[in-house]
Amino acid sequence: AQSVAQPEDQVNVAEGNPLTVKCTYSVSGNPYLFWYVQYPNRGLQFLLKYITGDNLVKGSYGFEAEFNKSQTSFHLKKPSALVSDSALYFCAVRGLSGGYNKLIFGAGTRLAVHP
Amino acid sequence: DSGVTQTPKHLITATGQRVTLRCSPRSGDLSVYWYQQSLDQGLQFLIQYYNGEERAKGNILERFSAQQFPDLHSELNLSSLELGDSALYFCASSAGQGASSNQPQHFGDGTRLSIL
Repeated sequence: AQSVAQPEDQVNVAEGNPLTVKCTYSVSGNPYLFWYVQYPNRGLQFLLKYITGDNLVKGSYGFEAEFNKSQTSFHLKKPSALVSDSALYFCAVRGLSGGYNKLIFGAGTRLAVHP
Repeated sequence: DSGVTQTPKHLITATGQRVTLRCSPRSGDLSVYWYQQSLDQGLQFLIQYYNGEERAKGNILERFSAQQFPDLHSELNLSSLELGDSALYFCASSAGQGASSNQPQHFGDGTRLSIL
Protein backbone atom coordinates (compact mmCIF):
# COMPACT_ATOMS: atom_id res chain seq x y z
CA ALA A 1 0.00 0.00 0.00
CA GLN A 2 1.18 3.49 -0.76
CA SER A 3 1.65 5.69 2.28
CA VAL A 4 3.45 8.64 3.77
CA ALA A 5 4.54 8.95 7.39
CA GLN A 6 5.48 12.12 9.24
CA PRO A 7 6.68 10.76 12.57
CA GLU A 8 6.61 14.06 14.45
CA ASP A 9 3.38 15.86 15.30
CA GLN A 10 5.32 18.98 16.21
CA VAL A 11 8.84 20.30 15.77
CA ASN A 12 10.14 23.15 17.88
CA VAL A 13 13.18 25.14 16.86
CA ALA A 14 14.75 28.45 17.82
CA GLU A 15 14.93 31.20 15.26
CA GLY A 16 18.20 31.11 13.37
CA ASN A 17 18.76 27.40 14.00
CA PRO A 18 18.53 24.78 11.27
CA LEU A 19 15.28 22.86 11.02
CA THR A 20 14.35 19.40 9.77
CA VAL A 21 10.85 18.04 9.24
CA LYS A 22 10.87 14.31 8.63
CA CYS A 23 8.99 12.29 6.05
CA THR A 24 9.18 8.65 5.00
CA TYR A 25 7.21 7.04 2.22
CA SER A 26 6.15 3.70 0.84
CA VAL A 27 5.26 3.52 -2.83
CA SER A 28 5.69 1.07 -5.65
CA GLY A 29 7.84 2.29 -8.49
CA ASN A 30 9.68 5.58 -8.62
CA PRO A 31 8.31 8.07 -6.11
CA TYR A 32 7.13 11.55 -6.95
CA LEU A 33 7.42 13.47 -3.68
CA PHE A 34 6.10 16.85 -2.63
CA TRP A 35 6.18 19.20 0.33
CA TYR A 36 3.38 21.65 1.06
CA VAL A 37 2.95 24.27 3.79
CA GLN A 38 -0.32 25.43 5.30
CA TYR A 39 -0.67 28.71 7.16
CA PRO A 40 -3.71 29.33 9.41
CA ASN A 41 -6.98 29.70 7.50
CA ARG A 42 -5.23 29.17 4.18
CA GLY A 43 -4.94 26.38 1.66
CA LEU A 44 -1.83 24.32 1.13
CA GLN A 45 1.01 26.00 -0.72
CA PHE A 46 3.44 24.03 -2.85
CA LEU A 47 7.05 24.23 -1.59
CA LEU A 48 9.04 21.78 -3.66
CA LYS A 49 9.01 18.44 -5.41
CA TYR A 50 11.30 15.55 -6.25
CA ILE A 51 10.73 13.75 -9.50
CA THR A 52 14.15 12.59 -10.57
CA GLY A 53 17.73 13.82 -10.67
CA ASP A 54 19.65 15.41 -7.81
CA ASN A 55 18.77 14.10 -4.40
CA LEU A 56 18.84 17.61 -2.94
CA VAL A 57 15.89 19.66 -4.14
CA LYS A 58 15.61 23.39 -3.57
CA GLY A 59 12.25 25.08 -3.18
CA SER A 60 10.47 28.21 -2.09
CA TYR A 61 11.32 30.40 0.93
CA GLY A 62 14.79 28.88 1.36
CA PHE A 63 13.53 25.35 1.97
CA GLU A 64 15.19 22.27 0.55
CA ALA A 65 14.57 18.57 0.82
CA GLU A 66 16.82 15.56 0.60
CA PHE A 67 15.63 12.42 -1.14
CA ASN A 68 17.15 9.22 0.21
CA LYS A 69 16.08 6.15 -1.71
CA SER A 70 17.67 3.58 0.58
CA GLN A 71 15.95 5.05 3.62
CA THR A 72 12.77 5.91 1.68
CA SER A 73 12.88 9.37 3.18
CA PHE A 74 12.30 12.90 1.95
CA HIS A 75 13.13 15.22 4.84
CA LEU A 76 12.46 18.95 4.60
CA LYS A 77 15.25 21.24 5.73
CA LYS A 78 16.15 24.87 6.13
CA PRO A 79 19.55 26.17 7.27
CA SER A 80 18.18 29.04 9.36
CA ALA A 81 14.60 29.07 10.63
CA LEU A 82 12.42 32.17 10.77
CA VAL A 83 9.49 32.82 13.08
CA SER A 84 7.40 33.27 9.94
CA ASP A 85 8.13 29.64 9.00
CA SER A 86 5.80 28.53 11.79
CA ALA A 87 3.05 26.58 10.04
CA LEU A 88 1.74 23.10 9.29
CA TYR A 89 3.87 21.11 6.84
CA PHE A 90 2.65 18.21 4.75
CA CYS A 91 4.67 15.65 2.87
CA ALA A 92 2.92 13.93 -0.03
CA VAL A 93 3.67 11.17 -2.47
CA ARG A 94 1.96 10.72 -5.77
CA GLY A 95 0.33 7.35 -6.03
CA LEU A 96 -1.52 5.82 -8.90
CA SER A 97 -5.23 5.24 -8.64
CA GLY A 98 -6.50 3.60 -11.77
CA GLY A 99 -3.53 5.07 -13.60
CA TYR A 100 -4.25 8.60 -12.51
CA ASN A 101 -2.58 11.20 -10.37
CA LYS A 102 -3.51 11.03 -6.68
CA LEU A 103 -1.63 12.74 -3.88
CA ILE A 104 -1.30 10.79 -0.66
CA PHE A 105 -0.61 13.14 2.25
CA GLY A 106 1.06 12.57 5.55
CA ALA A 107 -0.69 13.63 8.75
CA GLY A 108 1.25 16.89 8.87
CA THR A 109 3.89 18.29 11.21
CA ARG A 110 3.40 21.53 13.03
CA LEU A 111 6.56 23.62 13.02
CA ALA A 112 6.93 26.18 15.78
CA VAL A 113 9.85 28.59 15.50
CA HIS A 114 10.52 30.52 18.69
CA PRO A 115 12.19 33.95 18.77
CA ASP B 1 -2.35 33.70 -4.48
CA SER B 2 -2.70 30.20 -5.91
CA GLY B 3 -5.19 31.22 -8.59
CA VAL B 4 -7.74 28.69 -7.31
CA THR B 5 -10.96 30.29 -6.07
CA GLN B 6 -13.37 28.65 -3.69
CA THR B 7 -16.75 29.94 -2.58
CA PRO B 8 -18.17 30.38 -0.07
CA LYS B 9 -15.40 30.77 2.51
CA HIS B 10 -17.69 29.81 5.36
CA LEU B 11 -20.91 27.86 5.46
CA ILE B 12 -23.06 27.15 8.49
CA THR B 13 -26.01 24.83 8.18
CA ALA B 14 -27.97 22.19 10.03
CA THR B 15 -27.99 18.41 9.99
CA GLY B 16 -29.97 16.87 7.16
CA GLN B 17 -29.41 19.81 4.83
CA ARG B 18 -27.69 19.94 1.46
CA VAL B 19 -24.94 22.36 0.38
CA THR B 20 -22.92 23.07 -2.74
CA LEU B 21 -19.30 24.16 -2.69
CA ARG B 22 -17.84 25.80 -5.74
CA CYS B 23 -14.32 25.86 -7.15
CA SER B 24 -12.72 27.71 -10.05
CA PRO B 25 -9.36 26.22 -11.03
CA ARG B 26 -6.27 28.13 -12.09
CA SER B 27 -6.41 29.40 -15.61
CA GLY B 28 -5.37 26.60 -17.96
CA ASP B 29 -5.63 23.78 -15.41
CA LEU B 30 -7.83 20.92 -16.52
CA SER B 31 -7.71 18.80 -13.38
CA VAL B 32 -9.68 19.58 -10.24
CA TYR B 33 -9.33 17.71 -6.96
CA TRP B 34 -11.45 17.86 -3.82
CA TYR B 35 -10.11 17.21 -0.32
CA GLN B 36 -11.59 17.17 3.15
CA GLN B 37 -9.52 18.31 6.11
CA SER B 38 -10.66 17.56 9.63
CA LEU B 39 -8.88 17.33 12.96
CA ASP B 40 -9.44 13.60 13.39
CA GLN B 41 -9.05 12.43 9.78
CA GLY B 42 -6.38 14.79 8.52
CA LEU B 43 -6.33 15.62 4.81
CA GLN B 44 -8.40 13.15 2.82
CA PHE B 45 -8.63 12.97 -0.96
CA LEU B 46 -12.22 12.83 -2.12
CA ILE B 47 -12.37 12.92 -5.91
CA GLN B 48 -10.65 14.15 -9.06
CA TYR B 49 -12.03 15.42 -12.36
CA TYR B 50 -10.16 16.04 -15.57
CA ASN B 51 -11.72 18.07 -18.34
CA GLY B 52 -15.21 17.20 -17.19
CA GLU B 53 -14.69 13.52 -16.52
CA GLU B 54 -14.23 11.75 -13.21
CA ARG B 55 -10.68 10.39 -12.97
CA ALA B 56 -10.03 9.11 -9.48
CA LYS B 57 -12.07 8.48 -6.38
CA GLY B 58 -10.90 8.51 -2.80
CA ASN B 59 -12.75 8.40 0.48
CA ILE B 60 -15.88 10.07 -0.78
CA LEU B 61 -19.17 9.20 0.86
CA GLU B 62 -22.20 8.24 -1.20
CA ARG B 63 -23.97 11.33 0.20
CA PHE B 64 -21.35 13.45 -1.56
CA SER B 65 -21.09 14.03 -5.28
CA ALA B 66 -19.14 16.30 -7.57
CA GLN B 67 -19.02 17.43 -11.14
CA GLN B 68 -16.87 19.53 -13.42
CA PHE B 69 -18.57 21.77 -15.92
CA PRO B 70 -17.53 22.69 -19.50
CA ASP B 71 -15.99 25.95 -18.23
CA LEU B 72 -13.89 23.73 -15.91
CA HIS B 73 -15.28 25.00 -12.65
CA SER B 74 -16.32 22.27 -10.25
CA GLU B 75 -18.96 21.82 -7.59
CA LEU B 76 -19.00 19.49 -4.61
CA ASN B 77 -22.46 18.61 -3.39
CA LEU B 78 -22.91 17.40 0.16
CA SER B 79 -26.31 16.08 1.20
CA SER B 80 -28.01 14.67 4.29
CA LEU B 81 -25.38 16.47 6.28
CA GLU B 82 -24.20 15.05 9.59
CA LEU B 83 -22.28 16.64 12.44
CA GLY B 84 -19.21 14.70 11.38
CA ASP B 85 -19.18 16.42 8.00
CA SER B 86 -17.97 19.62 9.64
CA ALA B 87 -14.57 20.22 8.10
CA LEU B 88 -12.51 22.32 5.74
CA TYR B 89 -13.10 21.39 2.13
CA PHE B 90 -10.31 22.21 -0.28
CA CYS B 91 -10.22 22.30 -4.01
CA ALA B 92 -6.95 21.99 -5.91
CA SER B 93 -6.09 22.13 -9.58
CA SER B 94 -3.22 21.04 -11.75
CA ALA B 95 -2.25 21.15 -15.38
CA GLY B 96 -1.79 17.42 -15.80
CA GLN B 97 -4.08 14.52 -15.22
CA GLY B 98 -2.41 11.22 -15.70
CA ALA B 99 0.33 8.99 -14.48
CA SER B 100 2.97 10.88 -16.43
CA SER B 101 2.13 14.20 -14.83
CA ASN B 102 4.56 15.56 -12.27
CA GLN B 103 2.87 18.91 -11.91
CA PRO B 104 2.06 20.02 -8.37
CA GLN B 105 -1.45 20.71 -7.26
CA HIS B 106 -2.40 24.26 -6.35
CA PHE B 107 -4.90 24.69 -3.55
CA GLY B 108 -7.65 27.17 -2.88
CA ASP B 109 -8.17 28.60 0.61
CA GLY B 110 -11.02 26.22 1.31
CA THR B 111 -14.61 26.34 2.47
CA ARG B 112 -15.15 25.90 6.20
CA LEU B 113 -18.35 23.93 6.69
CA SER B 114 -19.94 23.93 10.12
CA ILE B 115 -22.90 21.67 10.83
CA LEU B 116 -25.01 22.67 13.82
